Amino acid sequence: SAVISQKPSRDICQRGTSLTIQCQVDSQVTMMFWYRQQPGQSLTLIATANQGSEATYESGFVIDKFPISRPNLTFSTLTVSNMSPEDSSIYLCSVGRGGNEKLFFGSGTQLSVL
Amino acid sequence: GIQVEQSPPDLILQEGANSTLRCNFSDSVNNLQWFHQNPWGQLINLFYIPSGTKQNGRLSATTVATERYSLLYISSSQTTDSGVYFCAVVTQGGSEKLVFGKGTKLTVNP
Repeated sequence: SAVISQKPSRDICQRGTSLTIQCQVDSQVTMMFWYRQQPGQSLTLIATANQGSEATYESGFVIDKFPISRPNLTFSTLTVSNMSPEDSSIYLCSVGRGGNEKLFFGSGTQLSVL
Repeated sequence: GIQVEQSPPDLILQEGANSTLRCNFSDSVNNLQWFHQNPWGQLINLFYIPSGTKQNGRLSATTVATERYSLLYISSSQTTDSGVYFCAVVTQGGSEKLVFGKGTKLTVNP
């Protein structure tokens, strides 16, 4: 398994501001992913955070809105930029070790935008 | 893309009852996982089960890959089993990303 620390656990933000979410893993991992879970919905993949290169974004998500950093094999950040109330969601970091492996999740960041 | 359908969408049980949750998928997969999201939002990986049967305590899962479905069995349910159960898959020959179903919301009453 993997121990994943995600912070902040929750935040309330004003429209137009940005929030950076941090994800720290207790061991080196190949794959790190960022998911969004809108209220009452399932999980949607935002992007795959690649170490040493730009993140790979899914359809409907762009780097200007959700910039991602992955400076090493144990850490990543997701920024939610220029927030609006529609960005109110749970944001989750997850890790796998490549190939067909179990995926593990951080405890999530509950974001509310006023 | 692959479609992942879970049923039932909602399930209410009395403590001690058994239940079966189903996950149908529309394409061949080489990775299938079941997750439990507790009422506080934490996602726990229950099973990695692209095929075959696994058991862990009161929970067990079976995937019949040739027929494109998986089942999650919960026996002697407890109130702590409440939450949402998600099935997620990775398609064969596709990207490695997990595609999630919409989940089954389980409520276990005392």
